[in-house]
Amino acid sequence: EDQVTQSPEALRLQEGESSSLNCSYTVSGLRGLFWYRQDPGKGPEFLFTLYSAGEEKEKERLKATLTKKESFLHITAPKPEDSATYLCGGAGSYQLTFGKGTKLSVIP
Amino acid sequence: GAGVSQTPSNKVTEKGKYVELRCDPISGHTALYWYRQSLGQGPEFLIYFQGTGAADDSGLPNDRFFAVRPEGSVSTLKIQRTERGDSAVYLCASGRGGQETQYFGPGTRLLVL
Repeated sequence: EDQVTQSPEALRLQEGESSSLNCSYTVSGLRGLFWYRQDPGKGPEFLFTLYSAGEEKEKERLKATLTKKESFLHITAPKPEDSATYLCGGAGSYQLTFGKGTKLSVIP
Repeated sequence: GAGVSQTPSNKVTEKGKYVELRCDPISGHTALYWYRQSLGQGPEFLIYFQGTGAADDSGLPNDRFFAVRPEGSVSTLKIQRTERGDSAVYLCASGRGGQETQYFGPGTRLLVL
């Protein structure tokens, strides 16, 4: 059975304090590892797709990396507007198996 | 150019009633997915359509749940004899299929009293 585990469940950072979110996965025949951002009361918003170990992608203050067992979402010098829940999902075929998410709070 | 839209945004119903939730995918996307998200959890897969046919409905929890996509565009998720445990956010996503990116709608928040 495919499984995705995210840690920590919640993270509080001071504005400007860099950190990383972890996504450990066991997905048979992984075809893609997806990161989404979800604001309260909204649907998940696509951030990145990673397809192979060693791949990295960046967008503004966010950088996603992938190994054969984990993915990391690095956030550099976060701002309060980065506060959200970050979801990680693995695709073995077409459906995504998601973790529970990491709720990030960035304090001014 | 619009994203995935879902209606209604909120639905309150009574236990035992029938509900329909609608999803309008991004134009040109052949793949459509339904997920369910409970509070504090990630989305859980329900069903996948490629075109008009349900390619995989293995995530539907029981036979009270059914979904259609008759013309390969709009989809409707139907829940019969609703139960309080059906209360959740129902998310729809669309994409080009395969391992391509899935783009989510805002969700329908269903509350069964």
